[in-house]
Amino acid sequence: AQSVTQPDIHITVSEGASLELRCNYSYGATPYLFWYVQSPGQGLQLLLKYFSGDTLVQGIKGFEAEFKRSQSSFNLRKPSVHWSDAAEYFCAVRNNAGNMLTFGGGTRLMVKP
Amino acid sequence: DSGVTQTPKHLITATGQRVTLRCSPRSGDLSVYWYQQSLDQGLQFLIQYYNGEERAKGNILERFSAQQFPDLHSELNLSSLELGDSALYFCASSVVGLAGDTQYFGPGTRLTVL
Repeated sequence: AQSVTQPDIHITVSEGASLELRCNYSYGATPYLFWYVQSPGQGLQLLLKYFSGDTLVQGIKGFEAEFKRSQSSFNLRKPSVHWSDAAEYFCAVRNNAGNMLTFGGGTRLMVKP
Repeated sequence: DSGVTQTPKHLITATGQRVTLRCSPRSGDLSVYWYQQSLDQGLQFLIQYYNGEERAKGNILERFSAQQFPDLHSELNLSSLELGDSALYFCASSVVGLAGDTQYFGPGTRLTVL
């Protein structure tokens, strides 16, 4: 069965600092990988996705993620964090049938002024 | 705004009651998904419909049921509610429901069972 692990439950960074959120997945075939962001009281917004091809994918709001098959990882990065990035971030993997997303437990990001 | 709408935003009810959550997918999307987000279980897939037919089931309780109507909106029915059913329920939609699709999420319905 597929699974996703986000090892960091909480992360605090200073505004302007770089950010990396970790995501490890377990899936037998080529994964379809996603990062979503959830702001307080809001739904889930898609940041970026990886299906195939270039292993470095660019998303909205200046985020990028790198797929590393050898490490079963899909870490999310941003070079300079803004206060408005404070939110909860979810990594997800989708099965080949396209039916369900399996989410990690989420990482709550706090941004210090 | 993802284009997926969910009503109501909030719902407060008592144990043993039954409620219906409604979802309208993005224009042109044929597939609808329901997810539950709770503190202890995280985000879990419940069920998927494609063009009116059930396509996949996840961790959905027998007390819960769903359907997708000819106009493609979907309803999630929760009955014999328990305290543990308190959660945020999300609906998502995608074009055809295959692996290449992206799921777009609605703002959710927060259910509180007292």
